[in-house]
Amino acid sequence: DTAVSQTPKYLVTQMGNDKSIKCEQNLGHDTMYWYKQDSKKFLKIMFSYNNKELIINETVPNRFSPKSPDKAHLNLHINSLELGDSAVYFCASSPARGIGTEAFFGQGTRLTVV
Amino acid sequence: DQQVKQNSPSLSVQEGRISILNCDYTNSMFDYFLWYKKYPAEGPTFLISISSIKDKNEDGRFTVFLNKSAKHLSLHIVPSPPGDSAVYFCAASPHGGSTLGRLYFGRGTQLTVWP
Repeated sequence: DTAVSQTPKYLVTQMGNDKSIKCEQNLGHDTMYWYKQDSKKFLKIMFSYNNKELIINETVPNRFSPKSPDKAHLNLHINSLELGDSAVYFCASSPARGIGTEAFFGQGTRLTVV
Repeated sequence: DQQVKQNSPSLSVQEGRISILNCDYTNSMFDYFLWYKKYPAEGPTFLISISSIKDKNEDGRFTVFLNKSAKHLSLHIVPSPPGDSAVYFCAASPHGGSTLGRLYFGRGTQLTVWP
């Protein structure tokens, strides 16, 4: 009965490859997010979708493209992977995009680019 | 430019004692604050939150205090069993516009509770 699930949990790939991380939530939430935790442990938002609509797009390279086929799924596709993309990527969801609603996180995907 | 700061990367507390984790923020637009707990190889899990209209919120062993004038909040955990050993993240959310729902996180404090 996992609430927010991401696959894969670990991903090792070579520079230049294209990879995707999938995320699904079964909480019925309207809003989903992608966060990145870098080597310095900072958790920063990358994207936010509300009912399949992009509402937050941080200063992220164009190589990163989120896709939301429905409000329960938010996938992250990364083109031409670079060494600096190595990080832990967390998907999250929340009931609404207003204040007062906490986000529920997936277990994270540790991406290592070699 | 970190808008949420946790200046103590680690805290060590004896089992049964109180743990106090601190957090400072710089953005006066923040009006909702949260604490998350994270175990290794897992995602952050929500612990407790507080709105800027309050100065204290309590939930079981967890109490969060907010001092708006000082732009400071703290999480008190009483008592602290070894199972509380984890990284604790402070997060804040601003109101208005396209930032709705976005969380700004601190760098986290590793709490170690020893027997």
